Amino acid sequence: RKEVEQDPGPFNVPEGATVAFNCTYSNSASQSFFWYRQDCRKEPKLLMSVYSSGNEDGRFTAQLNRASQYISLLIRDSKLSDSATYLCVVYSSASKIIFGSGTRLSIRP
Amino acid sequence: DVKVTQSSRYLVKRTGEKVFLECVQDMDHENMFWYRQDPGLGLRLIYFSYDVKMKEKGDIPEGYSVSREKKERFSLILESASTNQTSMYLCASSFGVGGPSTGELFFGEGSRLTVL
Repeated sequence: RKEVEQDPGPFNVPEGATVAFNCTYSNSASQSFFWYRQDCRKEPKLLMSVYSSGNEDGRFTAQLNRASQYISLLIRDSKLSDSATYLCVVYSSASKIIFGSGTRLSIRP
Repeated sequence: DVKVTQSSRYLVKRTGEKVFLECVQDMDHENMFWYRQDPGLGLRLIYFSYDVKMKEKGDIPEGYSVSREKKERFSLILESASTNQTSMYLCASSFGVGGPSTGELFFGEGSRLTVL
């Protein structure tokens, strides 16, 4: 079993839709959680951190469920520019950073 | 803005050749990392470094070595390239003192290596 698992997608949704995807992690002692975004043929960039209480940044909402060991990302009112691969990143300890293999999102007009 | 620069965007090498990939960051970050990214496997850590002349093996160090002689520069070396090392290589850096940070990773644009 992978330490961090994501649904690879692709998710293909119309512009304006709400889309959500999850990421599960196996190490219950994991400390920090992030969502990164990677555009085609580009490097990953930080989208947002994920806090225990949940956090929002504009149209994006991230949540953490420690009991069930998953994090989620919700995108409301999706735009064409949201098309990308979304990477879940889990810091299992201070020296172990694990990337999920990514969820591909495609927004159609 | 943090800038992480990788020396080559695209390389084509032959089996058995020695390959150097260089990475330079301009934000005085302590931590630097080398990853490879392959379809379906995500990013896998090859080596990381907390400080000058320090290095730690990641998850897939076999076939690779690294060098960090200056704080801003972290080099990945393939002593004898093989076809299974064809991949996208990504360098990253982050702030942290005395060990890896829990903060943001800043990535370079990547170096796509093809080994024939």
